[in-house]
Amino acid sequence: QKEVEQNSGPLSVPEGAIASLNCTYSDRGSQSFFWYRQYSGKSPELIMFIYSNGDKEDGRFTAQLNKASQYVSLLIRDSQPSDSATYLCAVMGTGGFKTIFGAGTRLFVKA
Amino acid sequence: ETGVTQTPRHLVMGMTNKKSLKCEQHLGHNAMYWYKQSAKKPLELMFVYNFKEQTENNSVPSRFSPECPNSSHLFLHLHTLQPEDSALYLCASRHSGGTYNEQFFGPGTRLTVL
Repeated sequence: QKEVEQNSGPLSVPEGAIASLNCTYSDRGSQSFFWYRQYSGKSPELIMFIYSNGDKEDGRFTAQLNKASQYVSLLIRDSQPSDSATYLCAVMGTGGFKTIFGAGTRLFVKA
Repeated sequence: ETGVTQTPRHLVMGMTNKKSLKCEQHLGHNAMYWYKQSAKKPLELMFVYNFKEQTENNSVPSRFSPECPNSSHLFLHLHTLQPEDSALYLCASRHSGGTYNEQFFGPGTRLTVL
């Protein structure tokens, strides 16, 4: 079993729709969860982080965490073509230094 | 973004060459990381340094040799690489004092091994 799993996509949504990206992880003791966006040829950039169960909203982005189900998701409201990128889910395990990344979900927002 | 810089940005080398990748962070962080990113694969953690001490070596072949002279600088020395080592090599840094601090990435070095 992969430590952090994501659907590779591509996920295609029309402009203005909600994009829903999902991630599951295997280390039940994980404490910190991150979503990074990576444009083609660029390095990852952090867009959201979440530590507690529930929802966390930041502008058009909402991260959702369910530790019991070992599930974290990212919702992007009012999707824009500029949101087209690969979204990486990252989980920091119990050790505190090691962050495990998923393979990423490629999102395509159609104008 | 100039918080974490990497040089060179692109590198083409033969299998018998020796080269080095450099990373520098200007964020006052004390933990630094090397990752390898190959096409359609997850980011692979290679090495972790915390306060200049190596705390993680993720079964990386010895043809990759890291060096961390201080908390702001990180090198990756390369020798006798293989074509399958061609990838994007990313450096990252973070504060290691807290559990919740995110990593900041440099722009990466695109490496091609001929």
